[in-house]
Amino acid sequence: GDSVTQMEGPVTLSEEAFLTINCTYTATGYPSLFWYVQYPGEGLQLLLKATKADDKGSNKGFEATYRKETTSFHLEKGSVQVSDSAVYFCALRKTGGGNKLTFGTGTQLKVEL
Amino acid sequence: GAVVSQHPSRVICKSGTSVKIECRSLDFQATTMFWYRQFPKQSLMLMATSNEGSKATYEQGVEKDKFLINHASLTLSTLTVTSAHPEDSSFYICSTSGQGAGGETQYFGPGTRLLVL
Repeated sequence: GDSVTQMEGPVTLSEEAFLTINCTYTATGYPSLFWYVQYPGEGLQLLLKATKADDKGSNKGFEATYRKETTSFHLEKGSVQVSDSAVYFCALRKTGGGNKLTFGTGTQLKVEL
Repeated sequence: GAVVSQHPSRVICKSGTSVKIECRSLDFQATTMFWYRQFPKQSLMLMATSNEGSKATYEQGVEKDKFLINHASLTLSTLTVTSAHPEDSSFYICSTSGQGAGGETQYFGPGTRLLVL
């Protein structure tokens, strides 16, 4: 079945450091890929998405590129801030699968001054 | 984005009792609502999908008689955990999608922490 694998956390970085959170997926066909972010005490929020190969999703300085050849959708940000501290979830939605999402386990990011 | 609330945010109950969790879409009509369960350090697992006015569709392995879902209106869905046991302790999250909510985009509630003693 479909699955999403993302790197385990927590990831601890200093402010202004470069961030990469790895995400790979297993799915048949051409799924849409997503990154969601969950700030403390809040619900998951859509951060960015990509719907086809080579698409790049971007938002709030974060970006991720849909790489079909490596089945990956790694999240990157050039310079993190303390306010980026949250849990990040990679997810996929299968084409023709309704609106069902399959999530990774989440990666906690802690950014320190 | 759309606003989704859940109530209560956390609940502690005795084994054998039933607990109802509400999920409300505050500013759009949620034609579809999803219920997820999340264990510590694990991903969100979809439990069921409900469409307004019809019976919920449960994922494989989820007991429909134990986790009762009602989606009676476009703004409210409820999940009732019947005869709760300690193994039902978990974090329950709802999400919504529908008209006026960006189409297929899901909007998530903040979650409900259930502890069964």
